[in-house]
Amino acid sequence: AQSVAQPEDQVNVAEGNPLTVKCTYSVSGNPYLFWYVQYPNRGLQFLLKYITGDNLVKGSYGFEAEFNKSQTSFHLKKPSALVSDSALYFCAVRDEGGSYIPTFGRGTSLIVHP
Amino acid sequence: GAGVSQSPSNKVTEKGKDVELRCDPISGHTALYWYRQSLGQGLEFLIYFQGNSAPDKSGLPSDRFSAERTGGSVSTLTIQRTQQEDSAVYLCASSRIKLAGFSYNEQFFGPGTRLTVL
Repeated sequence: AQSVAQPEDQVNVAEGNPLTVKCTYSVSGNPYLFWYVQYPNRGLQFLLKYITGDNLVKGSYGFEAEFNKSQTSFHLKKPSALVSDSALYFCAVRDEGGSYIPTFGRGTSLIVHP
Repeated sequence: GAGVSQSPSNKVTEKGKDVELRCDPISGHTALYWYRQSLGQGLEFLIYFQGNSAPDKSGLPSDRFSAERTGGSVSTLTIQRTQQEDSAVYLCASSRIKLAGFSYNEQFFGPGTRLTVL
């Protein structure tokens, strides 16, 4: 079985400050981990993924995420937030040996204040 | 290089009517997924296609929901006798999936169809 949790419904951060959006997961085997962003009235857009290799993954729009196997986490980070980063962020996980259907978290609303 | 497209973008219907939602995936993507997103909620998985076959229909909420995919491309999600609780945004996604071995490709999402049942 696979599951993912995003413990925060909303994250507030001031523009220019670093941001973190949290994600933890549970899988039987090795995880494939993904982050997506959803802007208002749009579909989800892929940001980055972890499959294997370096624990720090860099993605679109200056975002990065760190895979931590011992803590089963894959937190999304950005060194300096922009107002335009305000959106809904989804973490997703697939078990390497499982189905082709990823499990999505409930989403975290990121609000960046000017 | 077009992305995933969905039509219509908005659909307003009366309770009890049937609706059809269409998804055009990215050319060459063999996997196609339908999700439902209600206001303030996450993504609810509905159905997954690999080619024209649907190995996993476990997410369809009732027998009023059905989906098909033809030619390994376009998919249609049909909701019969719509109810007010069917109101949501229906998202389609496609991905490049291999049948054998591992696959770790990301999904590409369409803009969604907003369904409102009055």
